[in-house]
Amino acid sequence: GEDVEQSLFLSVREGDSSVINCTYTDSSSTYLYWYKQEPGAGLQLLTYIFSNMDMKQDQRLTVLLNKKDKHLSLRIADTQTGDSAIYFCAESSSASKIIFGSGTRLSIRP
Amino acid sequence: EAGVTQSPTHLIKTRGQQATLRCSPISGHTSVYWYQQALGLGLQFLLWYDEGEERNRGNFPPRFSGRQFPNYSSELNVNALELEDSALYLCASRAGANVLTFGAGSRLTVL
Repeated sequence: GEDVEQSLFLSVREGDSSVINCTYTDSSSTYLYWYKQEPGAGLQLLTYIFSNMDMKQDQRLTVLLNKKDKHLSLRIADTQTGDSAIYFCAESSSASKIIFGSGTRLSIRP
Repeated sequence: EAGVTQSPTHLIKTRGQQATLRCSPISGHTSVYWYQQALGLGLQFLLWYDEGEERNRGNFPPRFSGRQFPNYSSELNVNALELEDSALYLCASRAGANVLTFGAGSRLTVL
C-alpha cells in the first residue's frame, strides 16, 4: 500500500537552515503537505504543494518536490527555537486517502 | 472563525469500558476525519465522514466506530477499551484542496 517515510530526528543549530526530507510511494499523489505539531497540540498546516509544481516558497519555508524520485523536502531558513516541533509530511491522491509519515522531531541547538 | 473543536481534552478510562470523543468541524466544512496518534508514532487514519456518511475506514477493528450528525459534527466511539488504545485522537475537517484543519486532540488514557 501507499507509504510515507521520514527520518525520525533532526538537530540543527539556531540560525542555520533545517532541511526535512520525505519520500512517498503513491505515484498518483496530487497534493503533498507539511504539517507542524508542537507539544500537546494538534497539527498545524504549514504549506502544501500540488504535484505539478517543483517548488513553493513562503517566507522562511521552501518546499521542493522531485516527482520522479517521489521526494519532498521542507527547508526552514534561519531556524529559531520556536521551530522546535514534530514535522509531518503527508500525501493524498484523493479525499479519502491522506497518508501521513511518522514525523520528524526537529530540535534546535543554541 | 472558530477552528475545529474537540472534547473532552483528556479522558481516562479502564480496560473494557467505552469512550466517546466529539468533534465540531469548521463552519461550512462537511468532511470530518479521525486519526489516532499513539505515543511516539505517526498518525494512523481511522475514519472519514462526509455529508453524514462513512466514506472510508482505516485498518482498525470494528470496536472503533463513529457517526456524523446533520450539523456535520462527529463522534468517535471506542468500545471494549484496551490498553493500546491509549493515544491522542485527532479530528480534522476539510474544505477544498484536500487540506485538513486539525483540532487540538483528545487524549485518551486507558488504565
